[in-house]
Amino acid sequence: DQQVKQNSPSLSVQEGRISILNCDYTNSMFDYFLWYKKYPAEGPTFLISISSIKDKNEDGRFTVFLNKSAKHLSLHIVPSQPGDSAVYFCAVPRRSGNTGKLIFGQGTTLQVKP
Amino acid sequence: KAGVTQTPRYLIKTRGQQVTLSCSPISGHRSVSWYQQTPGQGLQFLFEYFSETQRNKGNFPGRFSGRQFSNSRSEMNVSTLELGDSALYLCASSLLAGLETQYFGPGTRLLVL
Repeated sequence: DQQVKQNSPSLSVQEGRISILNCDYTNSMFDYFLWYKKYPAEGPTFLISISSIKDKNEDGRFTVFLNKSAKHLSLHIVPSQPGDSAVYFCAVPRRSGNTGKLIFGQGTTLQVKP
Repeated sequence: KAGVTQTPRYLIKTRGQQVTLSCSPISGHRSVSWYQQTPGQGLQFLFEYFSETQRNKGNFPGRFSGRQFSNSRSEMNVSTLELGDSALYLCASSLLAGLETQYFGPGTRLLVL
């Protein structure tokens, strides 16, 4: 049962254009969301996060939008650069008392063409 | 500050063998989590350690185990290796247990033949 879904396995955009990566979740109790970027042969790198009390969080070229009613979040990269080519994962922390774990989506491979 | 380090980076084993992977968290971080990444299952949580105690465990068989030392360094062990254990094993650290933002190491690529 996939609690966090990234339905697009891949996305290809032209350098300079906008990249939009999407993520859907099933549990309305989720209250914090993260995006990680992963290059081959490296571990995931934390990119940006958003709390459910917000609907938008921006950090430079990266903006995450949260639509709680639709249980949907998206990551916008503007402008896209070739160095952004990587696998992007959305993740949700599941806390239980004083412990927690991250639940990841399946990832979307972004290719930015020069 | 140095990031999360994992050793070894690559490992080849045969079925039935056992393997031990090591992780050193970011200095000052006390929580270490382990994840397995495979093409079919994606990134899946294995377990979390904090203060030398396993706090949380994912849905993996008992062949997968781990421990944490007093300096927060952690090891995970897989016994009686199976072909399906071939994966990238990632370690992540955070300041305390249950924190949202975890910082990942480069991973150990395990190939079981």
